[in-house]
Amino acid sequence: EDQVTQSPEALRLQEGESSSLNCSYTVSGLRGLFWYRQDPGKGPEFLFTLYSAGEEKEKERLKATLTKKESFLHITAPKPEDSATYLCAVLVYGGSQGNLIFGKGTKLSVKP
Amino acid sequence: SAVISQKPSRDICQRGTSLTIQCQVDSQVTMMFWYRQQPGQSLTLIATANQGSEATYESGFVIDKFPISRPNLTFSTLTVSNMSPEDSSIYLCSVSTGFDEQYFGPGTRLTVT
Repeated sequence: EDQVTQSPEALRLQEGESSSLNCSYTVSGLRGLFWYRQDPGKGPEFLFTLYSAGEEKEKERLKATLTKKESFLHITAPKPEDSATYLCAVLVYGGSQGNLIFGKGTKLSVKP
Repeated sequence: SAVISQKPSRDICQRGTSLTIQCQVDSQVTMMFWYRQQPGQSLTLIATANQGSEATYESGFVIDKFPISRPNLTFSTLTVSNMSPEDSSIYLCSVSTGFDEQYFGPGTRLTVT
């Protein structure tokens, strides 16, 4: 069964304290891995797509990396406005077209 | 990307009733999807809304419970029928603009009493 596990469930950081969020996956065939940010009361906001091991993508203070078993979302010198829930999802070959399989997310809180 | 709106943003409904959620996109898209986000759970795909044909439902979801319409390339509706408290959830519409990425609407928060 295709599965996505995110850790930790919650993470509290001080402003400027860099850290990483983990997304491990067990799938039959990875087509793509996606990172989203979700603020309370809003829909997920697309951040990155990664397709192959070794690939990296960056956006402001965020950098996403991918290996054959997991992905990391590195947050460098976070600010309070980075506080949100970060969701990881995978798209697999052979599955329903468009069926993103999501993890439960990591809730990030950044204190000033 | 795409700009997606949903109506209503939230509702409180009595058990046994039905609610229709609307999803409007600012551009024509081929693929539209409906997801459910239950409290403390992952987003789960309910169905793919196909223009001009019946929706394709994922395992565990049936058309009688979640009928879907897709009358054109910018609009879709999801109806939650004969609701029970277990249907209390956030319902999200998403679209794919031709690549693998999906863009989500703001969601509809449904509470069933």
